[in-house]
Amino acid sequence: KAGVTQTPRYLIKTRGQQVTLSCSPISGHRSVSWYQQTPGQGLQFLFEYFSETQRNKGNFPGRFSGRQFSNSRSEMNVSTLELGDSALYLCASSLMTGVQETQYFGPGTRLLVL
Amino acid sequence: GESVGLHLPTLSVQEGDNSIINCAYSNSASDYFIWYKQESGKGPQFIIDIRSNMDKRQGQRVTVLLNKTVKHLSLQIAATQPGDSAVYFCAESPQGAQKLVFGQGTRLTINP
Repeated sequence: KAGVTQTPRYLIKTRGQQVTLSCSPISGHRSVSWYQQTPGQGLQFLFEYFSETQRNKGNFPGRFSGRQFSNSRSEMNVSTLELGDSALYLCASSLMTGVQETQYFGPGTRLLVL
Repeated sequence: GESVGLHLPTLSVQEGDNSIINCAYSNSASDYFIWYKQESGKGPQFIIDIRSNMDKRQGQRVTVLLNKTVKHLSLQIAATQPGDSAVYFCAESPQGAQKLVFGQGTRLTINP
């Protein structure tokens, strides 16, 4: 079974631009979560989607948004990019049969904001 | 609390020795805990998990111990191999929430 895939793997943007990152979960997985990883702050939870609904949200500004499609694929968008948004953005999926379950991570999208 | 980062604790062990990586978690309401391994340029890879109704769980060469009294989690890796070199993260999941709060990570280096 294929793992979590993320596209693109690398991205360079300039301040003020916006960016959309894509995540395809493991087949059959219905929950998709997004995390930001930086050297200074480590791994931080952004949001989680299940059945096209955002169920949990971390402490990030409204510039960070996401959505999930009916096939469980998810996208996250960052508008008005800032230098501090440079990070590795990780997507994770889990089966979700009712209790917390293992989240499996993709390779991430490395975003550099200039 | 959220992960702090910047200066990762490091642990160096000789190949073939056992290693123990420790983690303190913050939320007494967390009831699910996971250890991940992250190699350079890759996403975190699941190693082992444990629920709050257990104290110990074993996998292949790995054991996780949970002490809820002092909110402490540890990962034991037996007979370490060069491929075990990586950054190891513990993560906790608050009850009822499908979200992970990560520790700052520990860099494990296996010396030949």
